[in-house]
Amino acid sequence: DTAVSQTPKYLVTQMGNDKSIKCEQNLGHDTMYWYKQDSKKFLKIMFSYNNKELIINETVPNRFSPKSPDKAHLNLHINSLELGDSAVYFCASSQDLAGGPRNEQFFGPGTRLTVL
Amino acid sequence: GESVGLHLPTLSVQEGDNSIINCAYSNSASDYFIWYKQESGKGPQFIIDIRSNMDKRQGQRVTVLLNKTVKHLSLQIAATQPGDSAVYFCAENRRTGANNLFFGTGTRLTVIP
Repeated sequence: DTAVSQTPKYLVTQMGNDKSIKCEQNLGHDTMYWYKQDSKKFLKIMFSYNNKELIINETVPNRFSPKSPDKAHLNLHINSLELGDSAVYFCASSQDLAGGPRNEQFFGPGTRLTVL
Repeated sequence: GESVGLHLPTLSVQEGDNSIINCAYSNSASDYFIWYKQESGKGPQFIIDIRSNMDKRQGQRVTVLLNKTVKHLSLQIAATQPGDSAVYFCAENRRTGANNLFFGTGTRLTVIP
């Protein structure tokens, strides 16, 4: 019954590998997001998807590619992982875009990625 | 909020006291602000929001104050409880193209029983 779920919760991998993180929301929301939280707890938006269309990409390297098979899912695929990619990645969803009347973002539990 | 400095700001309060967490935002065009609470090992959780046409909004035990003149936001927690211990983030919706939330550095609140 989790509103926003992510898998896996922990991911440990070698530099250079390709990995994916999955996200699903059962709230019927139209917009989904990916955030990166670094070791200093700084939380930064990476992507937003609204009705399966990418609407922003905040200067994220093109090794990161979000994929949305339907509006309930937004997966994050990362190619050629680097040490600096180690962080906690959060998925979130909202009914509307930020600033809209129904824009409260619900966050998933996070995926801790460690690149060795 | 401003993501400056190397260390997460911290605030320690005694159980039962009131807490005030401050946040400075950078974009004068921002028109929507949210406070989030993040407990250890969990994702951020919505607490309260405020739009720029207001200067105060109250929730259950929480109050958000907005001062647009100095671009300052604060979160007041009344009668702080141990369960309030967490990292608190302010976020602003910057009206610069696509709607999006930008998070501040965060403040770690520790409640001493």
